[in-house]
Amino acid sequence: SAVISQKPSRDICQRGTSLTIQCQVDSQVTMMFWYRQQPGQSLTLIATANQGSEATYESGFVIDKFPISRPNLTFSTLTVSNMSPEDSSIYLCSGDRGRGEQFFGPGTRLTVL
Amino acid sequence: RKEVEQDPGPFNVPEGATVAFNCTYSNSASQSFFWYRQDCRKEPKLLMSVYSSGNEDGRFTAQLNRASQYISLLIRDSKLSDSATYLCVVNTRTDSWGKFQFGAGTQVVVTP
Repeated sequence: SAVISQKPSRDICQRGTSLTIQCQVDSQVTMMFWYRQQPGQSLTLIATANQGSEATYESGFVIDKFPISRPNLTFSTLTVSNMSPEDSSIYLCSGDRGRGEQFFGPGTRLTVL
Repeated sequence: RKEVEQDPGPFNVPEGATVAFNCTYSNSASQSFFWYRQDCRKEPKLLMSVYSSGNEDGRFTAQLNRASQYISLLIRDSKLSDSATYLCVVNTRTDSWGKFQFGAGTQVVVTP
């Protein structure tokens, strides 16, 4: 089965800075997604990462704050820009095996001071 | 009203017992449904898809009730390793790839 890795696994950042999270899949997937999971809560979809075109953002998330790249079918990045403490969360990427069955990376635990 | 709702629990279950819980969804046009399992401080992992006719995978049985707009998960002969949070996931849009809405999760604690 496919495996997803994420880098970094965790980071502590100063407010106002930006962090780019990388997501690598070991096999090609059609769909990749980025989620956020805040402490004690469930996952919220940020955007769908589209290969070769702009990501599709969900309500409440904008490209200026969360720019996403997906240059090929196995790799995507999410940048959290101009961070504030409210951005402290776990960020997860996922790939779709088809039929809507997703598999997730281990997550990036972000703390913004 | 949330699009996907779950009883947060915890459901405290003696080892070997059966536990069942539901998840309700608000969008009647939802097409696909899943149960994921999430262990503490880990990523979610797919447990099973939920098919219209219901499906079983070992000790786990999932059911879909479209009329009442809920899905259920039943765990038989609970093991200590079944302790986790179970996330209900519903694809709530029908355009392109849809949108996967996660419930807040139901915590299950299996005790010796």
